[in-house]
Amino acid sequence: NAGVTQTPKFRILKIGQSMTLQCAQDMNHNYMYWYRQDPGMGLKLIYYSVGAGITDKGEVPNGYNVSRSTTEDFPLRLELAAPSQTSVYFCASRKNTEAFFGQGTRLTVV
Amino acid sequence: DQQVKQNSPSLSVQEGRISILNCDYTNSMFDYFLWYKKYPAEGPTFLISISSIKDKNEDGRFTVFLNKSAKHLSLHIVPSQPGDSAVYFCAASTNSGYALNFGKGTSLLVTP
Repeated sequence: NAGVTQTPKFRILKIGQSMTLQCAQDMNHNYMYWYRQDPGMGLKLIYYSVGAGITDKGEVPNGYNVSRSTTEDFPLRLELAAPSQTSVYFCASRKNTEAFFGQGTRLTVV
Repeated sequence: DQQVKQNSPSLSVQEGRISILNCDYTNSMFDYFLWYKKYPAEGPTFLISISSIKDKNEDGRFTVFLNKSAKHLSLHIVPSQPGDSAVYFCAASTNSGYALNFGKGTSLLVTP
């Protein structure tokens, strides 16, 4: 059972570089999310999607972009990486009330 | 504005005793509450949930209590085991909402 798969697990970026964090789910869930977790903090919602072709901003969307061309995939794009984007990023999918999370991507911007 | 609050960053309990993790919320529209458990370097995993129409839900060693009038819920773990050592997140959502609102988490340490 793959569930929610995130790649890569770790990444170091230089300031100003760009990258895409990949997320895929095989549970046919309509709802997908990107959260970030900073040390000592809870999970903050970056972007979410309620289905293919539909995305919307969460609590902390600045500096990020998303797309949802298929039900399975929900990539998160960082343009012009900044040190403030150093964090652990979690992708999740949801059907009904319970959300399932990926293992996370630890991103460091130096 | 933190709508879900976990005011205790950490908790230490002896093996075999009860662990009680607390969570408060401010949004009266929340009607579904969940607890997630997170080990280091892993994603959060679902533990137990409760609907606002109930005041208690039990699953093995884990029980969640909901006090709607106080906007408070708690997770009881009895008996606590060393493998329960993890960060526990409280989360809440509305019936029509799109996402889960998370607290900051409580780090539980169960000592032998």
